[in-house]
Amino acid sequence: DSGVTQTPKHLITATGQRVTLRCSPRSGDLSVYWYQQSLDQGLQFLIQYYNGEERAKGNILERFSAQQFPDLHSELNLSSLELGDSALYFCASSVAPLAGYNEQFFGPGTRLTVL
Amino acid sequence: TQLLEQSPQFLSIQEGENLTVYCNSSSVFSSLQWYRQEPGEGPVLLVTVVTGGEVKKLKRLTFQFGDARKDSSLHITAAQPGDTGLYLCAGAVNNNDMRFGAGTRLTVKP
Repeated sequence: DSGVTQTPKHLITATGQRVTLRCSPRSGDLSVYWYQQSLDQGLQFLIQYYNGEERAKGNILERFSAQQFPDLHSELNLSSLELGDSALYFCASSVAPLAGYNEQFFGPGTRLTVL
Repeated sequence: TQLLEQSPQFLSIQEGENLTVYCNSSSVFSSLQWYRQEPGEGPVLLVTVVTGGEVKKLKRLTFQFGDARKDSSLHITAAQPGDTGLYLCAGAVNNNDMRFGAGTRLTVKP
């Protein structure tokens, strides 16, 4: 158990819909990262927050947005869903913001299926 | 096209054998990490290497970062069934933008 929690574990929805994925980081971690993992694209970095502020952006679509709240939990909002958005979405957290030098602890992921 | 190319994509070996997996790129990274991921779980960090030419050992696992900081290898000695999993390398393009390879899926048969 990494200490990072993600809800829900599974989500099935239809094209065109909007969903929200939730992540609670490890106690004491200020930085949260979101990743998408699909069979054809591998693990893709989406976005990072540090202490409530956006820190870095990766391959995140305009239909996707995220935020980190004062209690440090984070939400990833996916809208106008397409079949290709079906994937595993991971949240990770670290104490400090430098992902390349600090250990990221990954949550168990949310499996999103868009029908 | 992946920024980080991992090879082989799949590897199936017998318990006790040695193996090496590779992570290559044309880009220079400020640091490189190796993760192992098991089915239904998130990746778990194995090691971070930051200096060109650096070698780190973690029990039966040996990690090497290329001199030019563009590539890395992971060598496992006397593989065990518990080593089975997806091995991912990840490079920091800048300090925060991590790029992952597609991974090497290792199966160690008893």
